[in-house]
Amino acid sequence: ELKVEQNPLFLSMQEGKNYTIYCNYSTTSDRLYWYRQDPGKSLESLFVLLSNGAVKQEGRLMASLDTKARLSTLHITAAVHDLSATYFCAVDERGTGNQFYFGTGTSLTVIP
Amino acid sequence: DGGITQSPKYLFRKEGQNVTLSCEQNLNHDAMYWYRQDPGQGLRLIYYSQIVNDFQKGDIAEGYSVSREKKESFPLTVTSAQKNPTAFYLCASRRAGGTETQYFGPGTRLLVL
Repeated sequence: ELKVEQNPLFLSMQEGKNYTIYCNYSTTSDRLYWYRQDPGKSLESLFVLLSNGAVKQEGRLMASLDTKARLSTLHITAAVHDLSATYFCAVDERGTGNQFYFGTGTSLTVIP
Repeated sequence: DGGITQSPKYLFRKEGQNVTLSCEQNLNHDAMYWYRQDPGQGLRLIYYSQIVNDFQKGDIAEGYSVSREKKESFPLTVTSAQKNPTAFYLCASRRAGGTETQYFGPGTRLLVL
């Protein structure tokens, strides 16, 4: 069974600090997706990573993918309150009929 | 505007009642998905469909049913067999066979009276 694990599950950080969220998965997939969910809202796509070594950046968020280590990271630089949300990673395994496997989510709270 | 719509936003179910959640997309996507999210939890796959008139069970299909008669529509019925239906239900779609992300609708919150 394909597993996707995120850590930490909960993260409280001060504004201006840096931190990294980790996403480990158990398959050999090279397709990794990051989403953001605000409280009570739906999921919004952040990044699509499609190859080993892929790096994407948007504002204070940067995502990377290491398919050999089966690891993706979401790095937060100089956090601001607006980044408070839950972040999910998801893996798309080839040959599973377009099924995505989601991580457990990381709830981020940025404290002023 | 292309996108995914879900209705209603809130739905109340009485004991023994079947209820249907609507999901419509105008993105011309072949694949559609239904997820359940419990408070503070991740997403669990209920059903998914890759093409019209075909669908597959996900991890928690018991107590749910779906149909896919049109490409644009993928309604989910929560049957009376689902004893604990209170949750946030999310519909998503994606271009089949590609590497695009899944696009999500705004969700339906189902509550039991």
